[in-house]
Amino acid sequence: EDKVVQSPLSLVVHEGDTVTLNCSYEVTNFRSLLWYKQEKKAPTFLFMLTSSGIEKKSGRLSSILDKKELFSILNITATQTGDSAIYLCAVGTAAGNKLTFGGGTRVLVKP
Amino acid sequence: EAEVAQSPRYKITEKSQAVAFWCDPISGHATLYWYRQILGQGPELLVQFQDESVVDDSQLPKDRFSAERLKGVDSTLKIQPAELGDSAMYLCASSLGQGRGETQYFGPGTRLLVL
Repeated sequence: EDKVVQSPLSLVVHEGDTVTLNCSYEVTNFRSLLWYKQEKKAPTFLFMLTSSGIEKKSGRLSSILDKKELFSILNITATQTGDSAIYLCAVGTAAGNKLTFGGGTRVLVKP
Repeated sequence: EAEVAQSPRYKITEKSQAVAFWCDPISGHATLYWYRQILGQGPELLVQFQDESVVDDSQLPKDRFSAERLKGVDSTLKIQPAELGDSAMYLCASSLGQGRGETQYFGPGTRLLVL
C-alpha cells in the first residue's frame, strides 16, 4: 500500500523564522511529488517535483526531492503570518496519476 | 484564471437522506477526481475519471456512493443514504491528463455535515 508521511504534525514559529517541512514516501511506480498549501478551503498547488536534486523555488518557498532516500523537503524563509496554513505533500504514481496524500503539517506563524 | 467549480459549498443533511455534489472541471481537463478529506487528515481519492470513464473507484463505498461524468465534462457525486461518518469536505480536482499535464487543481470543496 502506498504511504506518505509528513513531519512534524504541526509547528509554531514567529514572523521572520525559517521552517522546514518533511515528506517521506513509500510508493510503487513513483511519478511525481507535489506540495499544496491549504488554508480554510481547497488545496492550492505549490510545486511538482519529478527529478532528484533539482530545487524548485517560488519567492520565499523552495522544495527539493531525493528519490534515493525517498523524501522531499519544503522550506519557507522569512515567514509571514499569511504563510499560516496546512501544507500537504502528495505523491503521484504511474498508475493513472493517482495522488496519495500525507496527513499534512499545520504551520502557525505568529506576529 | 480558470478554476474548478463546485456546488454547493456547504450542505447539512440528516442521516439516511440523499445528497449530491456537483463539479465542473477546468475546461479541457480530461481527468477528474473526487476526494474526501476528513478533518485533520489529507485528502483521500474516492473516484477518478478519464473523460467519461471510471479509471479508479477502488476506494468508493459503492453500497452508498455513486459518481458519474456522463458527457466527460462535469460530474456528480451522490451519497444515499448519508451516514454520520460521511461528514467531511468533498473535493473535486482536475488535470489535463493523458500525458499532457499531471498537476491536479482543486475546487473550493463542499463541506458536508450529517446530523
